[in-house]
Amino acid sequence: AQRVTQPEKLLSVFKGAPVELKCNYSYSGSPELFWYVQYSRQRLQLLLRHISRESIKGFTADLNKGETSFHLKKPFAQEEDSAMYYCALSGDTGFQKLVFGTGTRLLVSP
Amino acid sequence: DAGVTQSPTHLIKTRGQHVTLRCSPISGHKSVSWYQQVLGQGPQFIFQYYEKEERGRGNFPDRFSARQFPNYSSELNVNALLLGDSALYLCASSFSMNTEAFFGQGTRLTVV
Repeated sequence: AQRVTQPEKLLSVFKGAPVELKCNYSYSGSPELFWYVQYSRQRLQLLLRHISRESIKGFTADLNKGETSFHLKKPFAQEEDSAMYYCALSGDTGFQKLVFGTGTRLLVSP
Repeated sequence: DAGVTQSPTHLIKTRGQHVTLRCSPISGHKSVSWYQQVLGQGPQFIFQYYEKEERGRGNFPDRFSARQFPNYSSELNVNALLLGDSALYLCASSFSMNTEAFFGQGTRLTVV
């Protein structure tokens, strides 16, 4: 079965502090992992995907197959990073079924 | 450039009724997927359509059905509504089966 776990519902940090949003997954095949973000009153949008291995808005995420994790990190949080973050996986089923975690709300205080 | 558009934005239905939700993909996108997001949860996959054919189905009862039209727009139909069907229904479009999915703002369905 495909499953994504985000253990924290809420993560509150101060501006300039490091951020790590945790994501663990369960999948027997070769998944593709994503982070989606939803800013206040905006639609869900892709932040980054593991195959692209790029940094978006200062965020990075590394796929750790041994620990089945795909944690999202940023060294210095900004107030504009406050949003809802969802980790998702897509299995090698031939079609794009995204399996989402329950999400983590990140609050960055000044 | 308009993104994925969904209509209506909100609606209220009574238990047992039927509802049709509509989605217009980004121009040039041939794949449409539907997700259900219950309050406090992440989106849950319902269907994916590509080139007007169903390509994937999630774990939802047969009361849920969908179709894709020649212009690639899509409808999600839900029959015999239950209180538990109350949720935000999201549509996502992508150029092909496994390229980046772009989400609409969603339709908020309340069943009373």
